[in-house]
Order: sequence, then C-alpha cells, then structure tokens
Amino acid sequence: QSVLTQPPSASGTPGQRVTISCSGNSSNIGSNYVSWYQQFPGTAPKLLIYSNNQRPSGVPDRFSGSRSGTSASLAINGLRSEDEADYYCATWDDSLSGYVFGTGTKVTVL
Amino acid sequence: QLQLQESGPGLVKPSETLSLTCTVSGGSISSSIYDWGWIRQPPGKGLEWIGNIYYSGSTYYNPSLKSRVTISVDTSKNHFSLKLSSVTAADTAVYYCGRLGRIATRPAWFAPWGQGTLVTVSS
Repeated sequence: QSVLTQPPSASGTPGQRVTISCSGNSSNIGSNYVSWYQQFPGTAPKLLIYSNNQRPSGVPDRFSGSRSGTSASLAINGLRSEDEADYYCATWDDSLSGYVFGTGTKVTVL
Repeated sequence: QLQLQESGPGLVKPSETLSLTCTVSGGSISSSIYDWGWIRQPPGKGLEWIGNIYYSGSTYYNPSLKSRVTISVDTSKNHFSLKLSSVTAADTAVYYCGRLGRIATRPAWFAPWGQGTLVTVSS
C-alpha cells in the first residue's frame, strides 16, 4: 500500500483546468522533492515534473507542479484530449529509505 | 539520446529466480551523477519501486522486497541487472528500468525509462 495518496480519478472538458493532489507526510513530501509521471496505456511512464515544479525539456507549460507542506499538486491548464492518461506522484521517503510512488490518478477528458 | 532496454525471460516458474538486464545506450552507466533503478507494475495496478544502484555498486532496495532482490552493475557492458528470488504469482508485472537522478543526495526522479518487459510467473 502506497504512502502517497492520490484521488483515483479526475476529469474535465477540453480547455478546463484539472488539478491532482498527492498527500504524504513529513518523511516524504515534507522533506524531499516531488516528481510527477504521465503514463498512457501500454507504455512506460514519462517524467512530467521534477523538483516539485520543474518541467523537463519538451513538456508543455500547460503542466505545472507545486508543493506545500506534506502535499503536492499537479495542474493541467487548458486540458486537451491527449492528456487523457494516468498520473503518478513520487518522492523519496526518509523513514522507509525508499522511493515511493503515489496511488495514481486516471484523468479523463469528457 | 540516452536509451534503456530491458531484456530477459518473459515466463518464470514459481519459486525460481527472475533475472532481467537493462542495457544502456547513448551514454555511460559510469556517470557519477545518476543511479540506475528498477520499477515494476502489476497488470492494472500502480507503480512500485524495486531498488536502485550507483555505478560504484552502492544499492538501495525496497524494504518489502529486500530479502529477495539483488541489483548489480557491469560497467564494462554498460548494463545493470535485477535478480528476484523465490518468485510467486504476485511478482507477475511489467518490469521497467530507468535512470535515477538525485537532488541534494537523495534519489528524486526517473528519466528516461525503458519500454518495459512483462514477466509472468506461472508453472
């Protein structure tokens, strides 16, 4: 069972803003950097956000990340049909001495 | 462009050892900046970190798998490997390898990832 909790699903219409939360504790999100991954069915995850709010080259600026206390969020502005995928948060956990992933959120474009 | 490719048997019998190799191309596995890791994903489920290794051989393992996991690196072949012993059906998953970046000495992000390989545990 993951130590990072995400809502199972999120949805929006094209052009809307969708946010995904990731809840942890002081030993993981509260003291380490958060990354976010995007995964389409049948494919490997892809890094979307690192260091809480940094986008790798090639990731549209519609995607943004933030961290506050022991929670983090991923926002998708101007939702597009191609954003329909699963999204995972992740970070290092000092208590577990391990890298932990969130439970995952499936984003649906209505 | 750095690329990673997993290889190994797609079918393993219960109680046997799962062995996979991740070959790195387009860059050196001996980089002092990165670790190299394994992640798995059971069918229809979420991602689970298995462990990672630094080119010097230092390793970190998921506590829930630690007693069964060994990750090693071969810098001469530019690849690293995963061994998971005493497998059961619960170990059936897509196994991914990835390069692991660090921030302030702690593992922080995986990129890029290999395409993944499905390993089924069944007799």
